[in-house]
Amino acid sequence: AQSVSQHNHHVILSEAASLELGCNYSYGGTVNLFWYVQYPGQHLQLLLKYFSGDPLVKGIKGFEAEFIKSKFSFNLRKPSVQWSDTAEYFCAVNAPGRRALTFGSGTRLQVQP
Amino acid sequence: DAGVTQSPTHLIKTRGQQVTLRCSPKSGHDTVSWYQQALGQGPQFIFQYYEEEERQRGNFPDRFSGHQFPNYSSELNVNALLLGDSALYLCASREGSGSYEQYFGPGTRLTVT
Repeated sequence: AQSVSQHNHHVILSEAASLELGCNYSYGGTVNLFWYVQYPGQHLQLLLKYFSGDPLVKGIKGFEAEFIKSKFSFNLRKPSVQWSDTAEYFCAVNAPGRRALTFGSGTRLQVQP
Repeated sequence: DAGVTQSPTHLIKTRGQQVTLRCSPKSGHDTVSWYQQALGQGPQFIFQYYEEEERQRGNFPDRFSGHQFPNYSSELNVNALLLGDSALYLCASREGSGSYEQYFGPGTRLTVT
């Protein structure tokens, strides 16, 4: 069975600080990896995805993530956060051929102006 | 281009009652998944429908059932409601062939009293 761990449950940063949110998954085979964001009062939106190829993927709003296969990790990064990045961030995994997404428990990011 | 829509937005039910939630997928999508998101948690996969059939099911009891219509819209039914069923119910759609990218609706907030 797949599982996803997000180690940081609540992160507080000041504007312009750098961000890194951890995501580890447990699954022995090939996986598809996603980061979703949920802004206050809004629905889940896809930030970025990794299926194959270059392990450094870039998403919307300046976010990027790096897939490290040997560490079963897919950490999300942003060099300089803005107040508008305040949201909940979810890492998700599925294996090719499987239809369900397995989500982590989420990380609440609070950016202080 | 309409995204995923869900109705109703909010719902309050009493223990033991039954509820039906509705979802219309994004235009061009034919596969619908349902997720339950409890407060402070990541979404948990309930089941997925494609070609009007349940294709995969998560770890949810038979009280949770669904349906997909010829126009690809879907319903989630929950019988014999428990207090623990209180959650945000999310619908996600995707193209059935190939794409692993799912688009989420705004959700239905169900409160069971």
